[in-house]
Amino acid sequence: DIVMTQTPLSSPVTLGQPASISCRSSQSLVHRDGNTYLSWLQQRPGQPPRLLIYNIFNRFSGVPDRFSGSGAGTDFTLNISRVEAEDVGVYYCMQATQYPRTFGQGTKVEIK
Amino acid sequence: EVQLVESGGGLVQPGRSLRLSCAASGFTFGDYAMHWVRQAPGKGLEWVSGVSWNSGNTGYADSVKGRFTISRDNAKNSLYLQMNSLRAEDTALYYCAKGDYRGSGGYADYWGQGTLVTVSS
Repeated sequence: DIVMTQTPLSSPVTLGQPASISCRSSQSLVHRDGNTYLSWLQQRPGQPPRLLIYNIFNRFSGVPDRFSGSGAGTDFTLNISRVEAEDVGVYYCMQATQYPRTFGQGTKVEIK
Repeated sequence: EVQLVESGGGLVQPGRSLRLSCAASGFTFGDYAMHWVRQAPGKGLEWVSGVSWNSGNTGYADSVKGRFTISRDNAKNSLYLQMNSLRAEDTALYYCAKGDYRGSGGYADYWGQGTLVTVSS
C-alpha cells in the first residue's frame, strides 16, 4: 500500500499569514494514464470533508484562490497564501493512483 | 445540486452484519466512480472501498478486504456497502463520496453527512 506522510501534523498560524503543508508518498503517484491522482481535502470541525485540490494543482469549484497545490512524483504541497479564520480545520492529502486509496494522517491548522 | 445521503448505520454486535446505503441525486450517478470512507471517533480519514463508474474496478482497504463488499445499482442511483464479520475497530462514521467522471475514483469531490456504525456487545 502507498503510505502518505504529512508534515507538520499541527500548524498554528497567524491570520493573514501563509501556511504550507507537505505530503510525501512512499511511491510515485504517476498513474499509467499519465495523471497524478493526488488531492487535498479540508475538514472543518463537525463537518464532512471538502475537496480543495485534485490532480496536484487543480482547484475544485468554489475553492478560494488563496489555496494552491504543487508538486510531482512523491512530494506535494498545499499552500494557503493568507490564512483566514474559516480555514481552521484538518487538512488531508489523498492518493488515488493505486488501490487501496490512502490518506495522510491529517494536519490541524489553527489560529495562533 | 449534488446530494449524497447515507443510511443503514446503527449499533451491532461483533461478528454480525450490516448493509449501508447511499442515495445519490443531482448528478448522473451511473457516470461516476464512488467511494466509502470512514472516520473513527476523534481519528483521521480511512478510505474503505471504491467502485468505478461501470463497476469494472473495485478496491478495498486491507482492513476490510474479505469482509466488506461494495456494489452499486445505477438504476436506483444507489451505492451499497455490505459489512460482514464486524469488529469493534469498524466503529466509525461512514461517508459516501462521489468520484470522478467515468473513472475509478481519482478524487472525492462531494461527500454525504455520514452514517454512524457502532460495533459493540
